[in-house]
Amino acid sequence: GAVVSQHPSWVICKSGTSVKIECRSLDFQATTMFWYRQFPKQSLMLMATSNEGSKATYEQGVEKDKFLINHASLTLSTLTVTSAHPEDSSFYICSVPQGGTEAFFGQGTRLTVV
Amino acid sequence: AQKITQTQPGMFVQEKEAVTLDCTYDTSDQSYGLFWYKQPSSGEMIFLIYQGSYDEQNATEGRYSLNFQKARKSANLVISASQLGDSAMYFCAMRGPTGNQFYFGTGTSLTVIP
Repeated sequence: GAVVSQHPSWVICKSGTSVKIECRSLDFQATTMFWYRQFPKQSLMLMATSNEGSKATYEQGVEKDKFLINHASLTLSTLTVTSAHPEDSSFYICSVPQGGTEAFFGQGTRLTVV
Repeated sequence: AQKITQTQPGMFVQEKEAVTLDCTYDTSDQSYGLFWYKQPSSGEMIFLIYQGSYDEQNATEGRYSLNFQKARKSANLVISASQLGDSAMYFCAMRGPTGNQFYFGTGTSLTVIP
């Protein structure tokens, strides 16, 4: 069964509204989670590192005020896309590292902003 | 900085035949991990195989094997006895310097022909 649960799997929202995506680790605690974005027919690009108990670390070019990350507990990280615009439409996916050689991914969230 | 290169945007293979998906990488780290993931149209990332930089043996997982040539910095995925269900995007990835985040190649779309 899944060890990382991501919700919702898809969402359509109006331009200007905010959308929250949850990433939940089901089987183990995670002090760190990662958020990726994938545009159609492109690769996954790391957006930010979610850290439990401290601020998220954003990759260069990712607007921290637009993509709010909250690592609320050792099993939950949320990504909020604020004031979403059509160019934010993408596939967002989280991952949770486990040990040195494993990483589990959520099912992904397909966001469409209309 | 880590860089992953997949030069084959699309590949076709006859059912039951073997296929090799290419991946080269660049890193200044001495210790690193290489991964292959499968992404079907549903979007989930499915872990296939892992190779550590110090592993002397090529990794194998069922029908998947990784042809690791460290001097050439290549980590090609070999899928034997292709099945129709193997049709998907395949991503090569490297574990980042902190050991947890991933850097992905651009992916190869594999189509298995009946």
